[in-house]
Amino acid sequence: AQSVAQPEDQVNVAEGNPLTVKCTYSVSGNPYLFWYVQYPNRGLQFLLKYITGDNLVKGSYGFEAEFNKSQTSFHLKKPSALVSDSALYFCAVRTDRGSTLGRLYFGRGTQLTVWP
Amino acid sequence: DGGITQSPKYLFRKEGQNVTLSCEQNLNHDAMYWYRQDPGQGLRLIYYSQIVNDFQKGDIAEGYSVSREKKESFPLTVTSAQKNPTAFYLCASRETSGDGTQYFGPGTRLLVL
Repeated sequence: AQSVAQPEDQVNVAEGNPLTVKCTYSVSGNPYLFWYVQYPNRGLQFLLKYITGDNLVKGSYGFEAEFNKSQTSFHLKKPSALVSDSALYFCAVRTDRGSTLGRLYFGRGTQLTVWP
Repeated sequence: DGGITQSPKYLFRKEGQNVTLSCEQNLNHDAMYWYRQDPGQGLRLIYYSQIVNDFQKGDIAEGYSVSREKKESFPLTVTSAQKNPTAFYLCASRETSGDGTQYFGPGTRLLVL
């Protein structure tokens, strides 16, 4: 079975400091990993993805994520947080095989708050 | 949100009433999805469709129904059998081929009167 865990419901960080939002996954087959961001009362916006290749992927708004196969993790990072980064972040995974091909499995979300 | 529209933005349902949420996409995507979002529970899959005239139940399909008569459209009906319909509903689509990135609409918030 496919699943995603985001162990922190909330992450607080001061503006200008680095931020990390954690994600671990469980999947049969090779994982395709995604990060999305959601602002209040809006749909999800795609941030970045890992499919294959370099373990460090770069995405929108200065975010990046590192794929770690041995730890089955895909943590989202940003070197210097902005107040405008405050939002709800979702990690998602899909498998490359099986009857659930194409379906995304989402974590429960992590609320990021950046303090000025 | 570009390319996927959902309407209305807010919807009010009376007891025993069926209501239909609209989802339209102009991305030429084959697959479409409906999710329900409740605070602290993330996104739960209601129904999905890989191709026109075909759809499958997700994890919480009871009390909901869908149709897929056109590639561009995937309406969701919340029936009177859904006893707790208050939630934020999100529609998404993706190409059948490719890496599976889903793109989301702006959402519809359903409230019960």
